[in-house]
Amino acid sequence: NAGVTQTPKFRILKIGQSMTLQCTQDMNHNYMYWYRQDPGMGLKLIYYSVGAGITDKGEVPNGYNVSRSTTEDFPLRLELAAPSQTSVYFCASSGSTGTGTEAFFGQGTRLTVV
Amino acid sequence: AQSVAQPEDQVNVAEGNPLTVKCTYSVSGNPYLFWYVQYPNRGLQFLLKYITGDNLVKGSYGFEAEFNKSQTSFHLKKPSALVSDSALYFCAVRDERTGGFKTIFGAGTRLFVKA
Repeated sequence: NAGVTQTPKFRILKIGQSMTLQCTQDMNHNYMYWYRQDPGMGLKLIYYSVGAGITDKGEVPNGYNVSRSTTEDFPLRLELAAPSQTSVYFCASSGSTGTGTEAFFGQGTRLTVV
Repeated sequence: AQSVAQPEDQVNVAEGNPLTVKCTYSVSGNPYLFWYVQYPNRGLQFLLKYITGDNLVKGSYGFEAEFNKSQTSFHLKKPSALVSDSALYFCAVRDERTGGFKTIFGAGTRLFVKA
């Protein structure tokens, strides 16, 4: 049982390049989330999904896109990377939201845009 | 609007001493409260949560937290700190009326335990 797996762990992008951050979970969780973590700022929700085929914006969605074609996978797409997107990105999943279930996090992707 | 505050950027404590990491919150309805820990180069790991019931909740690694509704606080505590407890700790709150995607995280408090 691997939990939540993110790839890659590190990446350096040039301004204007694009990339996809991969996230997969093997816990059959319906709910998945993408967060970014900036120093001293805690975690900010980028996008979330409540099930396959359903996604919605979080607090800071600009510059990102997501898709959820399967229960397991929730990739995050960065188009036209900008220095402001330099951050650590975390994918998370949970079994439900209405009953106070905790989230399980991946190990993170450290992205630098230069 | 939901919010959560961790007033201390860093907490320093000697090994063997009790530790407290503070958290206050603001929600419209009843809160669901969580503590997570993050070790270097790792994702967040769940420590404990308060949903309802006893105000003192116990979690992993000997940590506990006390829910205080009148003070809107959920401080994390441990009776005797270990050097291995040194990490970044996040408090999070979820309003029961808005669901899980509205979980708000604090900015984090770095705990440093000195041997």
